[in-house]
Amino acid sequence: DAGVIQSPRHEVTEMGQEVTLRCKPISGHDYLFWYRQTMMRGLELLIYFNNNVPIDDSGMPEDRFSAKMPNASFSTLKIQPSEPRDSAVYFCASSLQWLMDPTGGIYFGEGSWLTVV
Amino acid sequence: AQKVTQAQTEISVVEKEDVTLDCVYETRDTTYYLFWYKQPPSGELVFLIRRNSFDEQNEISGRYSWNFQKSTSSFNFTITASQVVDSAVYFCALSESSGNTGKLIFGQGTTLQVKP
Repeated sequence: DAGVIQSPRHEVTEMGQEVTLRCKPISGHDYLFWYRQTMMRGLELLIYFNNNVPIDDSGMPEDRFSAKMPNASFSTLKIQPSEPRDSAVYFCASSLQWLMDPTGGIYFGEGSWLTVV
Repeated sequence: AQKVTQAQTEISVVEKEDVTLDCVYETRDTTYYLFWYKQPPSGELVFLIRRNSFDEQNEISGRYSWNFQKSTSSFNFTITASQVVDSAVYFCALSESSGNTGKLIFGQGTTLQVKP
């Protein structure tokens, strides 16, 4: 089975530009997560969805960040306008409800490496 | 508040040595989940194991083993006969129990270097 698919893998953009990161979760998974990894803050959860509905967006840094999940197989994370401090690796991840998957975990994509100059 | 501490920032071993990565967690939940992830130099996060708080049985998978001790709030990871391919950053993580929040609290990671 295909894993979590993210695009683009690498993005370099200028400050002020809009950035859109895309994610296709593992088929059948009903939870989708967006995480960010930086040297300073490590790995942190930005937002997660359950059955396409945003459940917790308390980790979204500010109004410049938005995330959508229009259907079960697609999600976007948008940054507008982008700033240099947004430079990070953005991971999308998905999982089943753990009661339905006793030993499974949260499965991460390969990440989108964002550089804002 | 939930917290995960990986006190070892970097570990360097020679191939074939055994190595243990420490993980200590804090939580007020009576039901919780613990995880280990591997992040090789290529950058992806690879799921290794999930342990439920109500299951203290230790786990072995090939050269990997995990020791979960609720009494000391620890979930340590041992690699037996390490190999160069084990070189990576290893993260321990904790999740609260309410349904499936997926809000993993990660430790800062331990960088393991296995030298040939």
